[in-house]
Amino acid sequence: EAGVTQFPSHSVIEKGQTVTLRCDPISGHDNLYWYRRVMGKEIKFLLHFVKESKQDESGMPNNRFLAERTGGTYSTLKVQPAELEDSGVYFCASSRLAGVIGELFFGEGSRLTVL
Amino acid sequence: AQKITQTQPGMFVQEKEAVTLDCTYDTSDQSYGLFWYKQPSSGEMIFLIYQGSYDEQNATEGRYSLNFQKARKSANLVISASQLGDSAMYFCAMRELDAGNMLTFGGGTRLMVKP
Repeated sequence: EAGVTQFPSHSVIEKGQTVTLRCDPISGHDNLYWYRRVMGKEIKFLLHFVKESKQDESGMPNNRFLAERTGGTYSTLKVQPAELEDSGVYFCASSRLAGVIGELFFGEGSRLTVL
Repeated sequence: AQKITQTQPGMFVQEKEAVTLDCTYDTSDQSYGLFWYKQPSSGEMIFLIYQGSYDEQNATEGRYSLNFQKARKSANLVISASQLGDSAMYFCAMRELDAGNMLTFGGGTRLMVKP
């Protein structure tokens, strides 16, 4: 069974440009989460999808970030326009069950470098 | 206040010995889940072990076990028979039902296994 896959693994862009990160969750996992770790700081929650619906987007830092999950399968996270402080590793995770039970599986992360 | 505290920023352990990585948490929820993840130098987040707040027995997964002491709000990870490949960052995380199912991470512990 394929795990959570993320693309690209590393993206280097200039300030002001746009980047789109993609996440393919484990098949059958309705719950999809985005997290990020900016340099030197803790891993922080961004948002949670249940199928195609945004269940919780309280962690989204500002309106330069747009997450979508059309059709309830893969998800994209777009940063437009990117700023220097957006540099970090963006993780996607998925789980079959929501709530406090159930395992949460992460992808390998997409490293974003904004110059 | 910090919800997840990992007091050991770095630790050394001799190969084949056991090591305990500390994690304390803070929550007023009755229902929550505790996770440990390993992040090797390659960057991916690898799920290791999960403990639900209502689980009466400590979780075990191969060489990993979680020493869950609910009254003390601690969820220490024990790795038995350390291997060189265990060298990595280790993150403790908590998911609270009342917090919208997001994971809150600790700052991590870097474990280095000496040959």
